[in-house]
Amino acid sequence: AQRVTQPEKLLSVFKGAPVELKCNYSYSGSPELFWYVQYSRQRLQLLLRHISRESIKGFTADLNKGETSFHLKKPFAQEEDSAMYYCALSRNQGGKLIFGQGTELSVKP
Amino acid sequence: GAVVSQHPSWVICKSGTSVKIECRSLDFQATTMFWYRQFPKQSLMLMATSNEGSKATYEQGVEKDKFLINHASLTLSTLTVTSAHPEDSSFYICSASRSYSGNTIYFGEGSWLTVV
Repeated sequence: AQRVTQPEKLLSVFKGAPVELKCNYSYSGSPELFWYVQYSRQRLQLLLRHISRESIKGFTADLNKGETSFHLKKPFAQEEDSAMYYCALSRNQGGKLIFGQGTELSVKP
Repeated sequence: GAVVSQHPSWVICKSGTSVKIECRSLDFQATTMFWYRQFPKQSLMLMATSNEGSKATYEQGVEKDKFLINHASLTLSTLTVTSAHPEDSSFYICSASRSYSGNTIYFGEGSWLTVV
């Protein structure tokens, strides 16, 4: 079964500290993986997709097929990074997404 | 950029009534849209795939007679919650895929439904 797991419901760090939001997936084929961010009272926005291999707002994520992980990392957290982060998997290119449970990131001053 | 818009942003309805939520792709055509449900501080759960000109495909456990989906045009999908009950109160989010931009998926702002 296809599944996305984010083990941490809440991650609290101080400003300037490194951040790693964990994401593991189970999928039999070749998945496309994403990180979405939802700031307070705003819509879900795409942060990263693994095929782009880019860095957005200082965040990076590397797909590790051996460990079936797609952890999101940022070396120095900022207060404005506080939000809900969702890891998601797409089974095809049609746009249907399976979301993880989400991790609330709280960056304290 | 591409925008997906939902209306209404929030709605309160009485138990037993029906309520319709619209999802529009404002500057692109979307043959497929998706409806999700999100409870506070929880994940998005896919309810159904809305296909323009054909029947929606529902995920397991989602009652198709309760959550009616109509995708009458390439820019509009509607979700109608029929005979609403308080347990249907939730945040409903739609998304649309813009195929010629690398299948980028755009989300609507969501619609809060409260059934009293």
